[in-house]
Amino acid sequence: QKEVEQDPGPLSVPEGAIVSLNCTYSNSAFQYFMWYRQYSRKGPELLMYTYSSGNKEDGRFTAQVDKSSKYISLFIRDSQPSDSATYLCAMTSMEYGNKLVFGAGTILRVKS
Amino acid sequence: ETGVTQTPRHLVMGMTNKKSLKCEQHLGHNAMYWYKQSAKKPLELMFVYSLEERVENNSVPSRFSPECPNSSHLFLHLHTLQPEDSALYLCASSQTGNQPQHFGDGTRLSIL
Repeated sequence: QKEVEQDPGPLSVPEGAIVSLNCTYSNSAFQYFMWYRQYSRKGPELLMYTYSSGNKEDGRFTAQVDKSSKYISLFIRDSQPSDSATYLCAMTSMEYGNKLVFGAGTILRVKS
Repeated sequence: ETGVTQTPRHLVMGMTNKKSLKCEQHLGHNAMYWYKQSAKKPLELMFVYSLEERVENNSVPSRFSPECPNSSHLFLHLHTLQPEDSALYLCASSQTGNQPQHFGDGTRLSIL
């Protein structure tokens, strides 16, 4: 079983839609959760960083962590064509030190 | 210049060549990382340097040799690579501890 599972997509939505991107994980020790966005021919860019359970909002983006279900989500409101990219979830814990465990990424396409 | 800079952006080499990838970070971080990114697979952590000491070598073949001369610079020396080594090689940096990592745009490596 993979430590982090993420649907590769592609997920195709019309402009203005609410997008939901998700990851599940198996290690209950994970405490720190991140979402990265990666455009073609670019490196991953940090979008959201959260600790433990709960929600965090930043503009059109909301990160949600449900530790009881081992499930994290990234919501994008009013999606734009410029949001088209690959979204990577990542997570770690004190035991992992500096190591992040990544999902394989979900390809998102927002059509105008 | 800010962020994490990687050079070259693209590299084509034969299996018998020797080349080096360079990474420089301007964020004042004290940990640096090399990752390999292949299509449809999660990022694979290769090496971790914390305070200029290697703290992780993730079962990487000896044809990859890292070097961290100071906290701002990281190199990946390559020799006698195999075709399956063709991938995007990403460098990242962070503060030590469970802090989010910041990535460069990578070197696209092709082995002939």
